[in-house]
Amino acid sequence: DIQMTQSPSSLSASVGDRVTITCQASQDISNYLNWYQQKPGKAPKLLIYDASNLETGVPSRFSGSGSGTDFTFTISSLQPEDIATYYCQQYDNLSITFGQGTRLEIK
Amino acid sequence: EVQLVESGGGLVQPGRSLRLSCAASGFTFDDYAMHWVRQAPGKGLEWVSGISWNSGSIGYADSVKGRFTISRDNAKNSLYLQMNSLRAEDTALYYCAKANSGSYSNWFDPWGQGTLVTVSS
Repeated sequence: DIQMTQSPSSLSASVGDRVTITCQASQDISNYLNWYQQKPGKAPKLLIYDASNLETGVPSRFSGSGSGTDFTFTISSLQPEDIATYYCQQYDNLSITFGQGTRLEIK
Repeated sequence: EVQLVESGGGLVQPGRSLRLSCAASGFTFDDYAMHWVRQAPGKGLEWVSGISWNSGSIGYADSVKGRFTISRDNAKNSLYLQMNSLRAEDTALYYCAKANSGSYSNWFDPWGQGTLVTVSS
């Protein structure tokens, strides 16, 4: 199975900061990489699909990039409502795995 | 509006069985693959199983292979997860999620609110 290594596991940043989360796959997954946001007590929500495509209705401060094994998720200017845990997810060849998650807090 | 409503969770003893259901509405159910994803208390997300639109393609996580069976009834707009030989480590909130196409190998959107399964004696 493909393993996803997500880092950091937690992150504290100030409102307005640029925030970056990375995800590394154990083998080439092309662009088959998605990003989700999960707020406390809520179901996850899709933000980015196929590495860099912004889901409809998601604010443009969220973005994704990468291909192959290395991927990046960025919040260009952190807002208070962005406090959540973020997960990457790969779907190469009928194998689906999530990263361990990144818990984002406001400083 | 797409709605996914899970049911069937509860407290069950180790070694016993439980069947989860997910009732779907607001979209053409038999056009889309469906998934089960779980989250143990305080832990991250774990994909459990996925099924294509016509049940022709099915996959399982290694942790549940041979114990869990996913199925769907397109006439009833429903997804199921039969869970046998349950273990303490199966304790989790189980989410039903819609895929973005008929093939299950893609992304999950949206998700239901989940049903809690607790395996304990």
